[in-house]
Amino acid sequence: DTGVSQDPRHKITKRGQNVTFRCDPISEHNRLYWYRQTLGQGPEFLTYFQNEAQLEKSRLLSDRFSAERPKGSFSTLEIQRTEQGDSAMYLCASSSAGYGYTFGSGTRLTVV
Amino acid sequence: GIQVEQSPPDLILQEGANSTLRCNFSDSVNNLQWFHQNPWGQLINLFYIPSGTKQNGRLSATTVATERYSLLYISSSQTTDSGVYFCAATPYSGAGSYQLTFGKGTKLSVIP
Repeated sequence: DTGVSQDPRHKITKRGQNVTFRCDPISEHNRLYWYRQTLGQGPEFLTYFQNEAQLEKSRLLSDRFSAERPKGSFSTLEIQRTEQGDSAMYLCASSSAGYGYTFGSGTRLTVV
Repeated sequence: GIQVEQSPPDLILQEGANSTLRCNFSDSVNNLQWFHQNPWGQLINLFYIPSGTKQNGRLSATTVATERYSLLYISSSQTTDSGVYFCAATPYSGAGSYQLTFGKGTKLSVIP
């Protein structure tokens, strides 16, 4: 069990560019989640996968955001046409039934 | 969705002191967790505790599900305990039952 891995750890991008983040969950976990955290706030839910199916999406997830989990393994979160307001820590977590969520170290996005 | 409130928002302790952090939630819960977020942003799972009492070293937690609150106890605090402590919960059923909702956190500073 190597925990939840996220890549990259940091990303600086220019406004208007597209970015993609990757999350590798704990292998035994069939549930995967994306969260966003801004400075001084608690993490906010973005979306949830059970295996490869995306079952819940927050209203925070605008049309510029898309997430995938092909084959129910790793997941990617893409942000198109980034805006300064997208600057945040993007956290991935995984879980299995009856157990708590385990979070990765996050990807810190800075849009300049 | 479920509401999660934490108190106090800020806490300053002398090293060696004990403290109690409180989490109130607005609905029956399927999952309740306490996390410690370190200065690098990593969310460390402390307890998965939808009900009952658990202990792990100097930390312990109690959730009284019928009264909709949870307490995190830190004894003999150390400077390494500094950081933000989050309580997070998912509702027992219905929409959003996989959305772990976070409180605003308690920022703990332990001074030597």
